[in-house]
Amino acid sequence: GAGVSQTPSNKVTEKGKYVELRCDPISGHTALYWYRQSLGQGPEFLIYFQGTGAADDSGLPNDRFFAVRPEGSVSTLKIQRTERGDSAVYLCASSSPGQGAREQFFGPGTRLTVL
Amino acid sequence: QKEVEQDPGPLSVPEGAIVSLNCTYSNSAFQYFMWYRQYSRKGPELLMYTYSSGNKEDGRFTAQVDKSSKYISLFIRDSQPSDSATYLCARGANFGNEKLTFGTGTRLTIIP
Repeated sequence: GAGVSQTPSNKVTEKGKYVELRCDPISGHTALYWYRQSLGQGPEFLIYFQGTGAADDSGLPNDRFFAVRPEGSVSTLKIQRTERGDSAVYLCASSSPGQGAREQFFGPGTRLTVL
Repeated sequence: QKEVEQDPGPLSVPEGAIVSLNCTYSNSAFQYFMWYRQYSRKGPELLMYTYSSGNKEDGRFTAQVDKSSKYISLFIRDSQPSDSATYLCARGANFGNEKLTFGTGTRLTIIP
């Protein structure tokens, strides 16, 4: 079956612009996670959804970052007033009910470059 | 101190060798431990997870957890060039806290 998909695969934007990154989880997976991976680092947790609601958004770095999942499937990560420090690969993962943190399946990521 | 410490490498070994990858963690509340493999420009792929001390084996891969010393290891036997990737260790806290905390990753190259 299809895995987690993310679009776009690459996004280049200018400092100060607004960007949206999309994640399509595996069908039937109720949990969805966003991580950010900087060069040479491991993924860093941003936010976790269980269904439509954000169960844990403690990893969002500031109020320029926001994520939604209005129908409990597709999620969009939104970044306002982008800064050069936001350049990273943004990873999305999903897991099935009952598996939780133990089996998170990752998408290929969106590589964001802020010029 | 980072919650999960991992030697970033890089690590190069000849084909067929046994590879040992290691991580330490600082919070004894950590219950679940995972190893992910990440190829260049791809997302991480789950290799193994374990939640108890001791060894867990899956084919050529063995995950080892020592909770008394807060030390986790991944061993790869009969290493292949296709094993060349970055290996990430991760921990999850008690069930219900779903976020994973990752190490920095170790870049491994298997030399044919």
